[in-house]
Amino acid sequence: NAGVTQTPKFRILKIGQSMTLQCAQDMNHNYMYWYRQDPGMGLKLIYYSVGAGITDKGEVPNGYNVSRSTTEDFPLRLELAAPSQTSVYFCASSLDGSNTEAFFGQGTRLTVV
Amino acid sequence: QKEVEQNSGPLSVPEGAIASLNCTYSDRVSQSFFWYRQYSGKSPELIMSIYSNGDKEDGRFTAQLNKASQYVSLLIRDSQPSDSATYLCAGGGGSQGNLIFGKGTKLSVKP
Repeated sequence: NAGVTQTPKFRILKIGQSMTLQCAQDMNHNYMYWYRQDPGMGLKLIYYSVGAGITDKGEVPNGYNVSRSTTEDFPLRLELAAPSQTSVYFCASSLDGSNTEAFFGQGTRLTVV
Repeated sequence: QKEVEQNSGPLSVPEGAIASLNCTYSDRVSQSFFWYRQYSGKSPELIMSIYSNGDKEDGRFTAQLNKASQYVSLLIRDSQPSDSATYLCAGGGGSQGNLIFGKGTKLSVKP
């Protein structure tokens, strides 16, 4: 049971480039989330999904986009990368939203230069 | 009041001692609570969940929930250097069906 799988683990982007962070879960969870974590700032919700075909903005969505075509996959797209997007990104999933525990992927450390 | 608050630490305890980590929450946070451990450079890992008032024990870990006082705590008995990490408190009730996380308390266990 792989849980939540994120790729890549590390990436360096130049300003203005785009990329997609991949996330897949094999636990048949309805809810999936993307967070970013900056030093001393805690986890901030970027986007979330309550099921296939349904996505919505979180606390800090600007500069990002997501899709959820299947229950398993929830990719995060960065368009026109900016230095402010330098962060560690975590994908997470949960069975039943905030009533149940969330499980995290390994994280992606992104640097925009 | 922030929704989930934790002392950022660092909290330093000697090996073998009890480490006590505390978290307070606002009215907006629901009654499901979770403790995550995050090692430096790694992702958060669930270590305890607690849903009702009182204590819940799992090995060296005990979670305590006091709804009347709106706090939740994590006790680590016989602390080991391998327990050195940041501990995140999280509560349910996020408007997007998400957990609301505190900023974490950094624990350092000295040999």
